Amino acid sequence: EPEVTQTPSHQVTQMGQEVILRCVPISNHLYFYWYRQILGQKVEFLVSFYNNEISEKSEIFDDQFSVERPDGSNFTLKIRSTKLEDSAMYFCASSVGTAKGYTFGSGTRLTVV
Amino acid sequence: GESVGLHLPTLSVQEGDNSIINCAYSNSASDYFIWYKQESGKGPQFIIDIRSNMDKRQGQRVTVLLNKTVKHLSLQIAATQPGDSAVYFCADLSYGNNRLAFGKGNQVVVIP
Repeated sequence: EPEVTQTPSHQVTQMGQEVILRCVPISNHLYFYWYRQILGQKVEFLVSFYNNEISEKSEIFDDQFSVERPDGSNFTLKIRSTKLEDSAMYFCASSVGTAKGYTFGSGTRLTVV
Repeated sequence: GESVGLHLPTLSVQEGDNSIINCAYSNSASDYFIWYKQESGKGPQFIIDIRSNMDKRQGQRVTVLLNKTVKHLSLQIAATQPGDSAVYFCADLSYGNNRLAFGKGNQVVVIP
C-alpha cells in the first residue's frame, strides 16, 4: 500500500537553530500538507500546498515557517529559528483531491532544547 | 475555529465487546467526515469516512453513523480486539476546503 514517508523520525535541535523536516508524499497525489501535534493534544493544521504554492495556512504557520517542493518527490517544512514551543510531532500528509485518499506519514518528533 | 469535538476522553472495553466512540461537530458546512486511529508514536491512520449525503457507512468491523440534525458522528467497532487499543480522532472538511479539523481524541483501551 502506498505510504507517505517522513524523515527523520526524531530530530533534536537547539533553540534558535533552523530545522528542515522532510516528506515524500504518495506519488500520484496532488495536495500536500503539514500538521503538528503537541504532546497530548489534538492534531492541528499548519499548511496545505497545491500546484507549487501554498493554498491555505493556519495562524500557527507564521513567518518562521516555510514549505517547499524542491523536486518531483520531496516536500519539506522549514522552521527558521526554532522555539521551545515548536516541540511537537509534525505530520506530513497528501491527498489525491481535496479529500480523497488523505494519508498521513508516521511523523517527525521535533524536540527543541 | 474548532468545529469538531469528542465527548469522552477514555473508553475501556472488554475484548470481544462492541465499542462506540462519539463526536460532535459544530460547523454546518462540514460535508465530509473521517475517523482516524492513532497508535502510540504513529501518524493518524484512516479508518472510515462518510459524506454528508449519507447517514451510515460500514467497513470491516467498523460502522460510522452521521446524524446531521444534531451534528453528531459516531464510530462503532464490532468485536473489539487488543489491536484496536489506540486514540481515535474524528475530523471534518467543508466543501472546497482541504484543511482537516480534528477533535481532541478519545483513548480506547481494550481489556483482554
